Amino acid sequence: ELKVEQNPLFLSMQEGKNYTIYCNYSTTSDRLYWYRQDPGKSLESLFVLLSNGAVKQEGRLMASLDTKARLSTLHITAAVHDLSATYFCAVDGGDDKIIFGKGTRLHILP
Amino acid sequence: GAGVSQTPSNKVTEKGKYVELRCDPISGHTALYWYRQSLGQGPEFLIYFQGTGAADDSGLPNDRFFAVRPEGSVSTLKIQRTERGDSAVYLCASSSGAGNYGYTFGSGTRLTVV
Repeated sequence: ELKVEQNPLFLSMQEGKNYTIYCNYSTTSDRLYWYRQDPGKSLESLFVLLSNGAVKQEGRLMASLDTKARLSTLHITAAVHDLSATYFCAVDGGDDKIIFGKGTRLHILP
Repeated sequence: GAGVSQTPSNKVTEKGKYVELRCDPISGHTALYWYRQSLGQGPEFLIYFQGTGAADDSGLPNDRFFAVRPEGSVSTLKIQRTERGDSAVYLCASSSGAGNYGYTFGSGTRLTVV
């Protein structure tokens, strides 16, 4: 059974700092997704990573995938308050259903 | 439509009642998913449709939960004899089927069982 673990689950950081969120998963997969969720809102797709070594960047966020290590990272550069949200990674275990991690609640202090 | 539409956005029901939650996916998307999200948790997979058929219903918690997609577009999640533990946000997502472009989620239905 596919398990997806994120860490940290909670992160409070200062504006301007860099940080990384980690997503580990338990079975072979080459499809990984990152989502953002604001309080009371639905999930917004951030990145779709489809192969080993994939790296995608959008603004201050950069995501990467290492399928051999079963690890994805979401790196935040020079954080700003607007990035405060909960970030989820989700993995396709090969059966076309995606399994989510518990999420990382990110709070960026002004 | 332009996005995934879910109705109602909020539903309050009494314990023991029957409820139906509706999902209208993006036009042309063959794959449709239902997830349940409890407060402070990640979305939990319930069921996945490819076209009209349920390709995987392994996430449905028990036989009080049932979902249909009779014409391969709109789907309805049905919950019988609701319990307080069923209270959650029910999310629907659709995709073109291959997952290569990700999954688009609706705004969800917040179900409260009192």
